[in-house]
Amino acid sequence: SQQGEEDPQALSIQEGENATMNCSYKTSINNLQWYRQNSGRGLVHLILIRSNEREKHSGRLRVTLDTSKKSSSLLITASRAADTASYFCAANSGGGADGLTFGKGTHLIIQP
Amino acid sequence: EAGVVQSPRYKIIEKKQPVAFWCNPISGHNTLYWYRQNLGQGPELLIRYENEEAVDDSQLPKDRFSAERLKGVDSTLKIQPAELGDSAVYLCASSPYGSNTEAFFGQGTRLTVV
Repeated sequence: SQQGEEDPQALSIQEGENATMNCSYKTSINNLQWYRQNSGRGLVHLILIRSNEREKHSGRLRVTLDTSKKSSSLLITASRAADTASYFCAANSGGGADGLTFGKGTHLIIQP
Repeated sequence: EAGVVQSPRYKIIEKKQPVAFWCNPISGHNTLYWYRQNLGQGPELLIRYENEEAVDDSQLPKDRFSAERLKGVDSTLKIQPAELGDSAVYLCASSPYGSNTEAFFGQGTRLTVV
């Protein structure tokens, strides 16, 4: 079963615009992680936010976490063509990367 | 530092044939995972190892799938016999021991069963 659910399933924006993706999960978590996957490649870790954190930044990425709503969002600012990929949230219900449960992903297309 | 290495990258087999995938995790990573990813879906966990012990294999179809990590380092995942529905990308990942750590993924093996 997949605990995380991303929304929207697909998103197409112009280069330079901001992209926002949302994730909902079902059970309590230790942390929530976001990964990127380019076509035909493995997943790459982007950012991890702990259950006691509400917001975290990394470069052009901004992640928020609302544990009361069991939801998270990933914002990519000033998008670039190279940001075209699928983005997955993964809810971690245990310690470490234990029990990482991935959603179906958001496919992001950046139009040049 | 080398990342997670998987082989082969691609495999095409006929149904009912056996197939095996190999994974070498990042040196020093105690935890190793095998995931299966169907087209357009997120990865689904098949099995998780802590060193040589399988600590979560609840999603592994044990009638046809098996895995081993004998020395707590590299791992193999086997399917015997393969079915058409097993066509997917099989991803291996590893992580160091401890809380709030990320998983590092290999490139995956794309299996096509015909």
